[in-house]
Amino acid sequence: EDKVVQSPLSLVVHEGDTVTLNCSYEVTNFRSLLWYKQEKKAPTFLFMLTSSGIEKKSGRLSSILDKKELSSILNITATQTGDSAIYLCAVGNNNDMRFGAGTRLTVKP
Amino acid sequence: KAGVTQTPRYLIKTRGQQVTLSCSPISGHRSVSWYQQTPGQGLQFLFEYFSETQRNKGNFPGRFSGRQFSNSRSEMNVSTLELGDSALYLCASSPESRGSIGEAFFGQGTRLTVV
Repeated sequence: EDKVVQSPLSLVVHEGDTVTLNCSYEVTNFRSLLWYKQEKKAPTFLFMLTSSGIEKKSGRLSSILDKKELSSILNITATQTGDSAIYLCAVGNNNDMRFGAGTRLTVKP
Repeated sequence: KAGVTQTPRYLIKTRGQQVTLSCSPISGHRSVSWYQQTPGQGLQFLFEYFSETQRNKGNFPGRFSGRQFSNSRSEMNVSTLELGDSALYLCASSPESRGSIGEAFFGQGTRLTVV
């Protein structure tokens, strides 16, 4: 059965810390892995990683896809309180987009 | 360009009732997917509609159904509500079917509480 597992489930850090969120997957016919940030209700898109684009970076956020290990990490450097959110990983194949349970990140001042 | 619009935003229903939720996708998007989100469960896929046809369906009972209209707006219906149906229901739209690579754009969700 296809599955997406995120770790840790929750994380509390202080402003300025660097965090690494993990996503591992077992999905047949993998096509893409996406990261979303969910602050209140609507998840907002961060990155999409595919076989042809295994590393993305935007400001303090970066993500890498390891197709051999069937996993991805999302790094956030110099965290700010505004980074507090649930971070969702989703993996897509030809037919489906399966989400992990998410990592709840809390950044304290 | 207007985003994905879900109505209503909040809803309280009693057990045994039925409910209909609505989702208007981004203009030009033909795919609408529905998700149920409960604490600790993440987003669980309900179903996807593309060009008025159900393309994929998650592992939910038949009490959960949906449809899509010719203007791509979609409705989700839950009959015989149970307490466990209390959740945030999110819909996401994308230009093409979820079977293709690409990001999905989420609405603000409908918070359903069953009492």
